[in-house]
Amino acid sequence: EPEVTQTPSHQVTQMGQEVILRCVPISNHLYFYWYRQILGQKVEFLVSFYNNEISEKSEIFDDQFSVERPDGSNFTLKIRSTKLEDSAMYFCASRMEGAGGNTIYFGEGSWLTVV
Amino acid sequence: AQSVTQPDIHITVSEGASLELRCNYSYGATPYLFWYVQSPGQGLQLLLKYFSGDTLVQGIKGFEAEFKRSQSSFNLRKPSVHWSDAAEYFCAVGAERNFGNEKLTFGTGTRLTIIP
Repeated sequence: EPEVTQTPSHQVTQMGQEVILRCVPISNHLYFYWYRQILGQKVEFLVSFYNNEISEKSEIFDDQFSVERPDGSNFTLKIRSTKLEDSAMYFCASRMEGAGGNTIYFGEGSWLTVV
Repeated sequence: AQSVTQPDIHITVSEGASLELRCNYSYGATPYLFWYVQSPGQGLQLLLKYFSGDTLVQGIKGFEAEFKRSQSSFNLRKPSVHWSDAAEYFCAVGAERNFGNEKLTFGTGTRLTIIP
């Protein structure tokens, strides 16, 4: 079964450093998402991306965050200057085009630890 | 705005016993409803989903869920749990915006512990 893949699985970074989390969505999917889960808390929506632009973003997704689809297969989340509170599991997700509530498939997640 | 409530933070059941995890949602129109499972250190795996039609939906691993519009609920059930079912379970509601742009709102999760 096709799956969303994410790298790295775990990254430790110093506060203030830039981090790029990478995702390869399922190949025929056209909607892409980033969610995050701070340890012990619920999964929260960050941003959705379609047709090479952000379609919706949450209040968490401030100017420190950016997303990009640099080629036909990758979808990245960049955190420009990490803060301690950015420590979380970041999930990439994707879904097919079309109305009717198609399923959103999640990757295994990337653990980010900011020290 | 949509929201999801999972009233049970932690549930403990004996192996072989039946299970019901509660989920209540708030959304103005017909929601898209999902249950995901997360094993420790793992990602989110879809158990089942409801979009329309039959209100009793079957999922993987022997799970089922029933959509009850009158109660705004989408409870997850399994007739007989296995030790491998120990995990965190998340209910989520999706709302379609801008033709197909669907974001999910998750509940806080229910941690399931299985005892022998």
